[in-house]
Amino acid sequence: AQSVTQLGSHVSVSEGALVLLRCNYSSSVPPYLFWYVQYPNQGLQLLLKYTSAATLVKGINGFEAEFKKSETSFHLTKPSAHMSDAAEYFCAVIEGSGGYNKLIFGAGTRLAVHP
Amino acid sequence: KAGVTQTPRYLIKTRGQQVTLSCSPISGHRSVSWYQQTPGQGLQFLFEYFSETQRNKGNFPGRFSGRQFSNSRSEMNVSTLELGDSALYLCASSLAAGGGADTQYFGPGTRLTVL
Repeated sequence: AQSVTQLGSHVSVSEGALVLLRCNYSSSVPPYLFWYVQYPNQGLQLLLKYTSAATLVKGINGFEAEFKKSETSFHLTKPSAHMSDAAEYFCAVIEGSGGYNKLIFGAGTRLAVHP
Repeated sequence: KAGVTQTPRYLIKTRGQQVTLSCSPISGHRSVSWYQQTPGQGLQFLFEYFSETQRNKGNFPGRFSGRQFSNSRSEMNVSTLELGDSALYLCASSLAAGGGADTQYFGPGTRLTVL
């Protein structure tokens, strides 16, 4: 079964600093990988997704992620953090063949941004 | 285009009762998936429906069930509620039946509290 590991349940950065949220996956085949963000009392919003078209994926709100097969990683970065980036971030992988939509999520990383 | 809507947003029930949650997907989307989010277990896949058929099921007891109607709206039902069923229940819709690259769009969730 596929799985996702997010390193660091809490990350704290200063406003304007680099954001780096780590995600490692386990998969025997090329995976489909996603990053979602969840703001308090809201659902999940898609930030970006990797579907093998390009290893560097650009998403919304200035976020991007790089797929590294050799490291089985899909880390999320943003060059300059903004106060509005404070939220919980989830890395996810699609499990299953045959076109099924079962997302397997990591445990999440809560990002705090301080002035 | 309207997003995924879920009703009700908040529910309070007592142990032993049953509950029905509703999800209306984005117009034109035919796949609806359900997820449970709890602080202890994180985000877990419940089931997916496509064209009124359950295509995939997560590892939950039979007390959790769902269905999809011809207009793609979906309901999930939990019978004989337990305290551990307290969670945020998220619904996600996508255009087709999956394929990995298919993006799932999430609703705001229904917060269920079991007393």
